[in-house]
Amino acid sequence: ELQLVESGGGLVQPGGSLRLSCAASTSTFSSYWMAWFRQAPGKGLEWLANVNQGGTVKNYMDFVRGRFTISRDNARNSLFLQMNSLRAEDTAVYYCATDVRGGYSDYWGQGTLVTVSS
Amino acid sequence: EIVLTQSPATLSLSPGERATLSCRASQSINNYLAWYQQKPGQAPRLLIYDASNRATGIPARFGGSGSGTDFTLTISSLEPEDFAVYYCQQRSIWRTFGQGTKVELK
Repeated sequence: ELQLVESGGGLVQPGGSLRLSCAASTSTFSSYWMAWFRQAPGKGLEWLANVNQGGTVKNYMDFVRGRFTISRDNARNSLFLQMNSLRAEDTAVYYCATDVRGGYSDYWGQGTLVTVSS
Repeated sequence: EIVLTQSPATLSLSPGERATLSCRASQSINNYLAWYQQKPGQAPRLLIYDASNRATGIPARFGGSGSGTDFTLTISSLEPEDFAVYYCQQRSIWRTFGQGTKVELK
């Protein structure tokens, strides 16, 4: 069974940057589309971006396009989210997950908290 | 953007009762809808995909129905571990989620 573990969250000032990582437990990682989601405290879920198996096709929600970049390294079984120009409203738990069956997520990490505050 | 509206916001029920959760889409999404369960401090768990297909390992008491704009998640007889927040999610145009329905202990 694929296990995912996010890291890289923490406290960052407005306007700052952060790079999140998601480590997969098996090399089957390379066979999955992957995605990033977030959930603000006490709020619902938001899909942010996804990337295909080879890392050549990337899609973003409008509100993060141009600020966030999704990437992957299949040799390291890892997924990344580079986040720039962070705002207070980006404060959330960020999850990585598989993106299967055309757009559903059956394996999720435990999440990493990003707090944007001065 | 496709907006998903879930109702009710909160459902107060007892173990053994039937739960019926609704999700309405702002435009037709065919059957491209999933249901997730989320417990406090945990990641979401996929229950149903493509409106009516149970994900791997999901008990038969969870059932999904609907197509077009109106969808339903039914839990036939609530178990203690089913008290949680449930989200619907569409994949017709990108991915968006409903705001959630909390199933709480009455």
